Amino acid sequence: AQSVAQPEDQVNVAEGNPLTVKCTYSVSGNPYLFWYVQYPNRGLQFLLKYITGDNLVKGSYGFEAEFNKSQTSFHLKKPSALVSDSALYFCAVRDRGFKTIFGAGTRLFVKA
Amino acid sequence: EAQVTQNPRYLITVTGKKLTVTCSQNMNHEYMSWYRQDPGLGLRQIYYSMNVEVTDKGDVPEGYKVSRKEKRNFPLILESPSPNQTSLYFCASSLEGNQPQHFGDGTRLSIL
Repeated sequence: AQSVAQPEDQVNVAEGNPLTVKCTYSVSGNPYLFWYVQYPNRGLQFLLKYITGDNLVKGSYGFEAEFNKSQTSFHLKKPSALVSDSALYFCAVRDRGFKTIFGAGTRLFVKA
Repeated sequence: EAQVTQNPRYLITVTGKKLTVTCSQNMNHEYMSWYRQDPGLGLRQIYYSMNVEVTDKGDVPEGYKVSRKEKRNFPLILESPSPNQTSLYFCASSLEGNQPQHFGDGTRLSIL
């Protein structure tokens, strides 16, 4: 069965420190990979995507993600966390037919 | 303003009373999709549509219907709602399959 795993329910980091939110997937073919962020009482907002090309993808608000084909991973990173980055983060994988699978989400807490 | 609009935002209803959640996008997007969000499960795709009159099942289609008679609209229909359909629902659209999705602000349904 196809799946997307975000192994950490919650990630805690101090402001100014680097952060990583992990995502691994098991989806056949060469799927499209996305990260979204959700703030309370809002819909999801797009952060970045990997379609093809460089394994390091840069996105909105200083976030970047590293694609690793052999490990089927797409980890979200940021060099220096801000308190305002605290939110719920979702990894999503879409196959070529538009079927989309989301991870369960990782809640990020950035402490001042 | 480019947006995906869902209505209603909140609804409390009773088992068996048919309801429709509307979704409209003003970006001329080809792809539209419905998701439900439940704690610990992330977002799960209910149905998606790649064009007018073209729809397909996602991972959790049971108990739901959709239609795509016009490009901009993609209503979600619950013919006979049951308590296990109590959830937060999101509509989303994207221009193409490899492009990010734009999400509505969500509809919180409570089925008593």
